[in-house]
Amino acid sequence: GAGVSQSPSNKVTEKGKDVELRCDPISGHTALYWYRQSLGQGLEFLIYFQGNSAPDKSGLPSDRFSAERTGGSVSTLTIQRTQQEDSAVYLCASSWMMGEGPQHFGDGTRLSIL
Amino acid sequence: QQQVKQSPQSLIVQKGGISIINCAYENTAFDYFPWYQQFPGKGPALLIAIRPDVSEKKEGRFTISFNKSAKQFSLHIMDSQPGDSATYFCAASDNYGQNFVFGPGTRLSVLP
Repeated sequence: GAGVSQSPSNKVTEKGKDVELRCDPISGHTALYWYRQSLGQGLEFLIYFQGNSAPDKSGLPSDRFSAERTGGSVSTLTIQRTQQEDSAVYLCASSWMMGEGPQHFGDGTRLSIL
Repeated sequence: QQQVKQSPQSLIVQKGGISIINCAYENTAFDYFPWYQQFPGKGPALLIAIRPDVSEKKEGRFTISFNKSAKQFSLHIMDSQPGDSATYFCAASDNYGQNFVFGPGTRLSVLP
């Protein structure tokens, strides 16, 4: 596709459930980033991938969060045992490679935990 | 040292006026400074970016001014329009893109 695609666009789930968020980057982009944006707030960096490798996972808020990327393309962000404080918009971005070119963002997944 | 400070938090400007948003950083390793524009329900979109080898970059009504010695950069929107009403984020990254930091954002409202 022409841009970064994220799915689902909206997700409502009950506290304690697991959720999986998907990001399909721009074709050919090797770097992929995940951010979290709470209502009316700035962007909180979570994790980045260069290819399939995520060298620094320290930005993930807790061990309930994990991310993977296979085949150098699609990435999934998984949140286990969701809590109400996990409610936010999760944004994905991609760039040609780390440090090269701007980050292009998807429109995010709005996650609401009841 | 990884923070990027941004001000003001919100800004109201009359149509046709100049909108100015300021950012400051500490990490001297930063060498790429983009500005992003975000409309409600959408992801941020790159607006304009600058590297520290120039002091100013202009694209249409949007200008970045960069002061390397002061470690500050600003976005100027000339002839502001109601369609410019959005949240603007400054950001900074180092040469390797591994440290990519966003400012907290400025909510701009341009009154008709």
